[in-house]
Amino acid sequence: DTGVSQDPRHKITKRGQNVTFRCDPISEHNRLYWYRQTLGQGPEFLTYFQNEAQLEKSRLLSDRFSAERPKGSFSTLEIQRTEQGDSAMYLCASSLASSSILIVEQYFGPGTRLTVT
Amino acid sequence: SQQGEEDPQALSIQEGENATMNCSYKTSINNLQWYRQNSGRGLVHLILIRSNEREKHSGRLRVTLDTSKKSSSLLITASRAADTASYFCATVNNQAGTALIFGKGTTLSVSS
Repeated sequence: DTGVSQDPRHKITKRGQNVTFRCDPISEHNRLYWYRQTLGQGPEFLTYFQNEAQLEKSRLLSDRFSAERPKGSFSTLEIQRTEQGDSAMYLCASSLASSSILIVEQYFGPGTRLTVT
Repeated sequence: SQQGEEDPQALSIQEGENATMNCSYKTSINNLQWYRQNSGRGLVHLILIRSNEREKHSGRLRVTLDTSKKSSSLLITASRAADTASYFCATVNNQAGTALIFGKGTTLSVSS
């Protein structure tokens, strides 16, 4: 399977615990995105990387959230001191973009569903 | 914040009927994309229309874009039960084409 993969698919944690999610993008894709989706809503942008550089972060990404893409391949999203409001589906997407290709579609993974009890 | 608003929020039709979903957005865009999401799954890209295009077709899908009204529509012809899913429009409002801004989606139910 050469699509975007995410691990784990489901995570149940207690409030106050830390959690970490992993995303493996399509191998040749240089851009990687994280989105959060709550029930009945569309995905909301959190952050994105071009290669290993984190180029944009939304206001939704509080200080408790950190994302990395250390070698420009897979990425991790960590949430510290989880709160019940963090319960959501966390989606990862990747794309191949260059200065000559500005309009690109994003390929999404299956998501990690987080439940904070 | 969410840019687009899909209409209707929910749509129920019979197999073989056409389904039309509308999307309105707020700011100027570079392109508009439609995605499908089956229950509890990731999103699948359906079609992209650029800001200088007015209509685009892909199989049973037809998308229109009216930049003067800041609106788009997605038509699925001859619907099938397998089309049951949520449909989202997403816009990119900067030239670098980074973050997608999604609407709340239309939930389509196709019964056989």
